[in-house]
Amino acid sequence: QLQLQESGPGLVKPSETLSLTCTVSGGSISSNSYYWGWIRQPPGKGLEWIGNIYYSGTTYYNPSLKSRVTISVDTSKNQFSLKMSSVTAADTAMYYCARHEATGTTAHWGQGTLVTVPS
Amino acid sequence: EIGMTQSPATLSVSPGERATLSCRATQNVGSNLAWYQQKPGQAPRLLIYDASTRATGIPARFSGSGSGTDFTLIISSLQSEDFAVYYCQQYSNWPPITFGGGSKVEIK
Repeated sequence: QLQLQESGPGLVKPSETLSLTCTVSGGSISSNSYYWGWIRQPPGKGLEWIGNIYYSGTTYYNPSLKSRVTISVDTSKNQFSLKMSSVTAADTAMYYCARHEATGTTAHWGQGTLVTVPS
Repeated sequence: EIGMTQSPATLSVSPGERATLSCRATQNVGSNLAWYQQKPGQAPRLLIYDASTRATGIPARFSGSGSGTDFTLIISSLQSEDFAVYYCQQYSNWPPITFGGGSKVEIK
């Protein structure tokens, strides 16, 4: 059974870089049928797609975040990662990693990790 | 970017009643529309994809319809476990993948 688990600091200082890793188990990140992505949700608000990556390293980003975001993949560890630079309090959110079907639907989600950026 | 608008923001329904949720896209997305359910403290769960296809393990009381710009999610007879927030998502033209703002179904 596929499982995704986010890890990383729960508190990031303003102007610093947020770094999260998603570890995939029960399936290979090198499958050519899926994209591996990040989605966030500020407290009490809706979902925002951050971006995703194909196992080959091809990335797609939300234009609203593209200048600050880098997603990378480590197939040897079955992991992919998110880096978001110059964070502010507006980046405080639950961050989910997820597996996207080739179409873009998301059937598998991690449990999420809360990242707080104090104001 | 394709914008997604959901209505109503909150729907108060009694158990056993029918709930109808709407989602509208700013551009034609064909049938490339999914619905998710999110309960407090949990990740979203895929309910419907391709506008009307139930995901694995989703009960038949959930049904989706629509194409183009207007979509509907119907829960035919609300069970206690169905009270949650529901999101629509388009995947017709990405990046970016975009979500609606959500509709909360609460107990009346």
